Amino acid sequence: EPEVTQTPSHQVTQMGQEVILRCVPISNHLYFYWYRQILGQKVEFLVSFYNNEISEKSEIFDDQFSVERPDGSNFTLKIRSTKLEDSAMYFCASSGDRGSNEKLFFGSGTQLSVL
Amino acid sequence: AQSVAQPEDQVNVAEGNPLTVKCTYSVSGNPYLFWYVQYPNRGLQFLLKYITGDNLVKGSYGFEAEFNKSQTSFHLKKPSALVSDSALYFCAVRDRNSGNTPLVFGKGTRLSVIA
Repeated sequence: EPEVTQTPSHQVTQMGQEVILRCVPISNHLYFYWYRQILGQKVEFLVSFYNNEISEKSEIFDDQFSVERPDGSNFTLKIRSTKLEDSAMYFCASSGDRGSNEKLFFGSGTQLSVL
Repeated sequence: AQSVAQPEDQVNVAEGNPLTVKCTYSVSGNPYLFWYVQYPNRGLQFLLKYITGDNLVKGSYGFEAEFNKSQTSFHLKKPSALVSDSALYFCAVRDRNSGNTPLVFGKGTRLSVIA
């Protein structure tokens, strides 16, 4: 089965530093997502991306966050100035459709630790 | 607003016994409901979904879930648990008429199947 790949699997950074989390969605998918999970808490939606623009974003996704699809394959999440509370597992997902045919495929995540 | 509750952090069951992982949801309209599973060091994987029609939905690996509108529940079940079913299980919901509103996940339930 096709897979979403995420790199790196672990990222340690200092507070205030910029980080870029990388994802390669499934090649023919059209909808892209970032979710995150703080240890022991819910999987939280951050942002969805379709047709080269953000289609929806949550309150978490403030001005410190940005997403980009720089070429036909990569989908990145940038955090400009990391805070301690950004420490979480970040999941990228993609799907070929929305609504009744929706099925998200997730990557294995990037564990971000902000010190 | 959409929300999902998974009331149990952990479910323990003996191999060969039936298992149930509970989920209740809240949406303003009619729901799309999903179950995803996460094995160690892997991304979330789609198990099954309820869109419309038969309230009993069958999915991968022998799992099934029953949509109960009056109780706003979508419990995951399997008649006979296997040790290999041990994983983290996530319930998710989307309001069918919500347009771009993203999939909302619960915090997950860890299932341990003991030999």
